[in-house]
Amino acid sequence: KQEVTQIPAALSVPEGENLVLNCSFTDSAIYNLQWFRQDPGKGLTSLLLIQSSQREQTSGRLNASLDKSSGRSTLYIAASQPGDSATYLCAVKGNTGKLIFGQGTTLQVKP
Amino acid sequence: GAVVSQHPSRVICKSGTSVKIECRSLDFQATTMFWYRQFPKQSLMLMATSNEGSKATYEQGVEKDKFLINHASLTLSTLTVTSAHPEDSSFYICSAGRAQGLAVTGELFFGEGSRLTVL
Repeated sequence: KQEVTQIPAALSVPEGENLVLNCSFTDSAIYNLQWFRQDPGKGLTSLLLIQSSQREQTSGRLNASLDKSSGRSTLYIAASQPGDSATYLCAVKGNTGKLIFGQGTTLQVKP
Repeated sequence: GAVVSQHPSRVICKSGTSVKIECRSLDFQATTMFWYRQFPKQSLMLMATSNEGSKATYEQGVEKDKFLINHASLTLSTLTVTSAHPEDSSFYICSAGRAQGLAVTGELFFGEGSRLTVL
């Protein structure tokens, strides 16, 4: 059974810092991995999708890496801003097509 | 990206009543949709997989008679919470992927979620 773990559960940083969020998964037989952002009381916004054959994806200040063999992914946020404050969720998709989520990392960027 | 819309975004109902939540893919066809629930400060838990034209498949521990899912067309899936009770109060989110071929490997798009409060 696939299990997804995110560390840390919460993170508070001053504005401008670069930061890394971690995601690990127990079954390396995945099709892809997605990083999402969720604001309080809202739905999910897809940030980056990495296919199993890819090593990384970049979008603006965000960079996500994937090491499928070790079951790890990281989300790098450069030059953090208060508007980046949200919960970041990592999810992996296996051969069933189901997306399995981690518990999330709640990020607070202080001005 | 593709758009998935949920309605209603918020609903308050009395205990014992039934509530229907709709999930629509607005600009693409989705043979498969997924329903999740999320309790406060927790992650998303998959409830069931909704397949167009066939019965939904439920995750272990999810009562299929309690959470009725209908996926009557390629753009609409509905979740009905029957005889709702306060413990059913939660945030329900649906997701969809494009039809066929890419369904397993492709990106999933999420609705805005529906917050159900049962009094």
